[in-house]
Amino acid sequence: EIVLTQSPGTLSLSPGERATLSCRASQSVNSNYLTWYQQKPGQAPRLLIYGASSRATGIPDRFGGSGSGTDFTLTISRLEPEDFAVYYCQQYGSSFTWTFGQGTKVEIK
Amino acid sequence: QLQLQESGPGLVKPSETLSLTCSVSGGSISSNSHYWGWIRQPPGKGLEWIGTIYYSGSTYHTPSLKSRVTISVDTSKNQFSLRLSSVTAADTAVYYCATPGDTITAAVRAFHIWGQGTMVTVSS
Repeated sequence: EIVLTQSPGTLSLSPGERATLSCRASQSVNSNYLTWYQQKPGQAPRLLIYGASSRATGIPDRFGGSGSGTDFTLTISRLEPEDFAVYYCQQYGSSFTWTFGQGTKVEIK
Repeated sequence: QLQLQESGPGLVKPSETLSLTCSVSGGSISSNSHYWGWIRQPPGKGLEWIGTIYYSGSTYHTPSLKSRVTISVDTSKNQFSLRLSSVTAADTAVYYCATPGDTITAAVRAFHIWGQGTMVTVSS
């Protein structure tokens, strides 16, 4: 079973700053199956990035995804007030199973 | 626009079976490009994938819960269900149902459409 480890656990930044979130897999992941979600308190997760780097419909271009193999990154180029939330990476593996990372909280500094 | 809505008891006693239903509106559960999943989130914690059922009827579950999980589809009611047996306090969580919602998202095995979630507490 592939384990996804996200870092840091919490990222304290100010609006306008750049956020860089990491998702590291215990084994190589097919980048087609690497996804990022955003979750705000009391809400369901929201699809941000699929296929490691493709933005979902309606997602602003300040959100970007990159990476391959075992290392993936979600970048928010300039944080807006509505971007402060928890972010999760997710992968789909060869055993027809899904795995989520433990999440990174982006909080206002 | 596809929408999902979870329903079921908010309180389940230890050792009993948790049963939830996800009602699908705005589209057919019989679509052959879709799969239907259950994900949960314990209070203050992260997301955990529980299991998924494909249009073919094949089901897959997280290894840690596999022996306790049953996922099924009722096409006549346009809904799918989760049953989790022998629950303990560790099964207390918000339970979400989710689906890709379109062929591109389905191809990359992501979840684009989510229900609002339903809180289930396991307590006597």
